[in-house]
Amino acid sequence: GQNIDQPTEMTATEGAIVQINCTYQTSGFNGLFWYQQHAGEAPTFLSYNVLDGLEEKGRFSSFLSRSKGYSYLLLKELQMKDSASYLCAVPTNAGKSTFGDGTTLTVKP
Amino acid sequence: DTGVSQDPRHKITKRGQNVTFRCDPISEHNRLYWYRQTLGQGPEFLTYFQNEAQLEKSRLLSDRFSAERPKGSFSTLEIQRTEQGDSAMYLCASSFGAATNEKLFFGSGTQLSVL
Repeated sequence: GQNIDQPTEMTATEGAIVQINCTYQTSGFNGLFWYQQHAGEAPTFLSYNVLDGLEEKGRFSSFLSRSKGYSYLLLKELQMKDSASYLCAVPTNAGKSTFGDGTTLTVKP
Repeated sequence: DTGVSQDPRHKITKRGQNVTFRCDPISEHNRLYWYRQTLGQGPEFLTYFQNEAQLEKSRLLSDRFSAERPKGSFSTLEIQRTEQGDSAMYLCASSFGAATNEKLFFGSGTQLSVL
């Protein structure tokens, strides 16, 4: 089975940096996804990590440690539009993804 | 690329009625997934297809739920004898292939309210 844990809510200030953590337990590891979901909208892909380390993509970076079963999403220079739910997901070897319950990020002025 | 489309966007029904939702994936995508999402939760896997073949159905899914993808293109999800607990957002997603690094493209969902 697969178990994914994320904090339920986080709050940060516009212009700041925030780190959203995800821990997972899987019977086999096939990478880890991060998706962004604005309220009332569909999730959209942010990143995929399969090797240890940090992958940077503009203001967003994602980190993975396979030995610790841990990932984080780092958001820099926060903007109001970054207020959303951030979902961590792990795929099985058949490609089906299991999602965490998401972290709702609120960015305040 | 018109994206994944779902119809209807909203559905209100009375308990005991049957409902059917439709999903049109991105045209060249072979994989099609159905997920269900309730407020404050992440998407919960229901079932998925590789072309027209249904490869897996969640054990949490009762026999009232059935999905088809008859020609390997669009898919329908039917819920029979709806219950109030079926109220949720039903999300469809597609991906090009079966590789583990294939990202999902989601539709905007169908919001079901069972009264």
